[in-house]
Amino acid sequence: DSGVTQTPKHLITATGQRVTLRCSPRSGDLSVYWYQQSLDQGLQFLIQYYNGEERAKGNILERFSAQQFPDLHSELNLSSLELGDSALYFCASSDTGGDTDTQYFGPGTRLTVL
Amino acid sequence: AQSVAQPEDQVNVAEGNPLTVKCTYSVSGNPYLFWYVQYPNRGLQFLLKYITGDNLVKGSYGFEAEFNKSQTSFHLKKPSALVSDSALYFCAVRDIFSYGNNRLAFGKGNQVVVIP
Repeated sequence: DSGVTQTPKHLITATGQRVTLRCSPRSGDLSVYWYQQSLDQGLQFLIQYYNGEERAKGNILERFSAQQFPDLHSELNLSSLELGDSALYFCASSDTGGDTDTQYFGPGTRLTVL
Repeated sequence: AQSVAQPEDQVNVAEGNPLTVKCTYSVSGNPYLFWYVQYPNRGLQFLLKYITGDNLVKGSYGFEAEFNKSQTSFHLKKPSALVSDSALYFCAVRDIFSYGNNRLAFGKGNQVVVIP
């Protein structure tokens, strides 16, 4: 158990809908990362937050947004969902977001868009 | 951008035999390299990392990895494989393009199958 928690574990929804994925980092970690894992794209970095502020953006669609709250938990919002958004979404956390940090991953949320 | 390559899709090994999972990297500057393992329906578990220092890095569950600068490789090894080591293994490199950006760029993953 990495200490990173994600809810829900599974999410099934329809095209065009909006969902929110939640992540709680390990105790003491200030940085949160979101990744998407799909069969065709592999593991792709989406976005990083550090202590409430956006630090870096990757291949994140405009329909997706995220935020990190004062208590350091993070939410990833996915809207106008398409079939291709079906994937495993991971959250990871690290203590400072520094160069040599290890990222610890949560168990993931499996999103199925029908 | 920094990247890693995992040339093999699947690695089959008999239980008790040495296990090697290959990874090569392409970076500008100093490479920060990581190995993770993913069991079915689970998240990624950190195994080990190379930042600097000794080229042989020891990690969790008896795994180790050898950093080779001349061959730009960071192969994962285990002297004696167990059936429970069957999983998906990912090599990753820290993708540096700005201070404080700690994103990881992952390889495609290697499925390891340990045959009893």
